[in-house]
Amino acid sequence: EIVLTQSPGTLSLSPGERATLSCRASQSVSSSYLAWYQQKPGQAPRLLIYGASSRATGIPDRFSGSGSGTDFTLTISRLEPEDFAVYYCQQYGSSPSTFGQGTRLEIK
Amino acid sequence: EVQLLESGGDLVQPGGSLRLSCAASGFTFSTYDMSWVRQAPGKGLEWVSTISDSGGRTYYADSVKGRFTISRDNSKNSLYLQMNRLRAEDTAVYFCAKNGPLGHCTSSSCYAYFDYWGQGTRVTVSS
Repeated sequence: EIVLTQSPGTLSLSPGERATLSCRASQSVSSSYLAWYQQKPGQAPRLLIYGASSRATGIPDRFSGSGSGTDFTLTISRLEPEDFAVYYCQQYGSSPSTFGQGTRLEIK
Repeated sequence: EVQLLESGGDLVQPGGSLRLSCAASGFTFSTYDMSWVRQAPGKGLEWVSTISDSGGRTYYADSVKGRFTISRDNSKNSLYLQMNRLRAEDTAVYFCAKNGPLGHCTSSSCYAYFDYWGQGTRVTVSS
């Protein structure tokens, strides 16, 4: 199965700053079938990005996804207070679908 | 508005059984594949199982194959997960999730992301 490694494990930034989160796959992800989710404590994950770069319904345009093959990136252009959470990537181009271990984005 | 509401989580002894339910609303349930995803305490996410829109095809993670059974009742807009021979490592919050419209399933595998999630139901396996 494909192993996804997210980095950094924790990212400390201030509101207004730019956040760059990385997701690296152990094998190439077919058809850029890569999704990103945001999860806040005690809540369900929320889909942000699918197909590596397509924003889900209702997601602000400060969130963007990029990458292909084995290297993918989630960028938050200007952090808002509500963006501080844990972010997971998921590959669904190979069975079984797998998730990364998460990046915690915390307020500096 | 899409809503998914799980129920059925509980404390159960190792070797025991539990049935989880998920009530769906706000979309045409019978036209979407559905899944269960779990999250162990303090850990990441793990796909557990998927069922096709008609219920005719089911898919399982190796960790639960032979012990868990996914099913659905499209007349009741409901998804289920029957969990047998439970182990301590099955302890987790179980989320019901709607498969995204651009994912797809073949005869042997599913390639899906999840566009809506329920709030989860907690399963604890302990003596």
